[in-house]
Amino acid sequence: AQTVTQSQPEMSVQEAETVTLSCTYDTSESDYYLFWYKQPPSRQMILVIRQEAYKQQNATENRFSVNFQKAAKSFSLKISDSQLGDAAMYFCAYEQGGSEKLVFGKGTKLTVNP
Amino acid sequence: NAGVMQNPRHLVRRRGQEARLRCSPMKGHSHVYWYRQLPEEGLKFMVYLQKENIIDESGMPKERFSAEFPKEGPSILRIQQVVRGDSAAYFCASSPAGGLPNEKLFFGSGTQLSVL
Repeated sequence: AQTVTQSQPEMSVQEAETVTLSCTYDTSESDYYLFWYKQPPSRQMILVIRQEAYKQQNATENRFSVNFQKAAKSFSLKISDSQLGDAAMYFCAYEQGGSEKLVFGKGTKLTVNP
Repeated sequence: NAGVMQNPRHLVRRRGQEARLRCSPMKGHSHVYWYRQLPEEGLKFMVYLQKENIIDESGMPKERFSAEFPKEGPSILRIQQVVRGDSAAYFCASSPAGGLPNEKLFFGSGTQLSVL
């Protein structure tokens, strides 16, 4: 079974600084997708960024970018120029192609200090 | 266009009672997914439904839990004879069609179930 591991229960960053959240996953599949979701206190799950496994280029969405290392099964999220509104739980998630199911890590709580 | 609507937002039940959680998908979405989030955990897949059909229920507990998505009306997750271990946040998500990539997957804000 696929598993997703987030080894950092909590992280903190100063406003305007850069922070990297770690995620590793375990799979024997070649066709899959990886995601980072943000869960603010409102509890709404918000998609931050997604990566297709077949793409070598790292995905980028404004201040959010990933470092996808397929051989190492690593998928870290970098947040640049951190803002107070970035404070939230961040979940890494995996989906095997065509499975219609997301497998989530346990999350990293990000605190942004003013 | 309203997002995925879940109600109630909070639900309190005593042990042995029934819990019914409702999810109205986004307009035009015909696929619904239910996930459960236990305290200090990530979301765990429970069930995937299309209108009037259960497609994948591999994450559903074998007893007391059931889900439906009727032709008309919201999807319902039903938990019979609740126990304290059922206390969790239950999330619904919807998409216009299966086959992902799931950038078109939208989550609701969840229902927090507390069992006394």
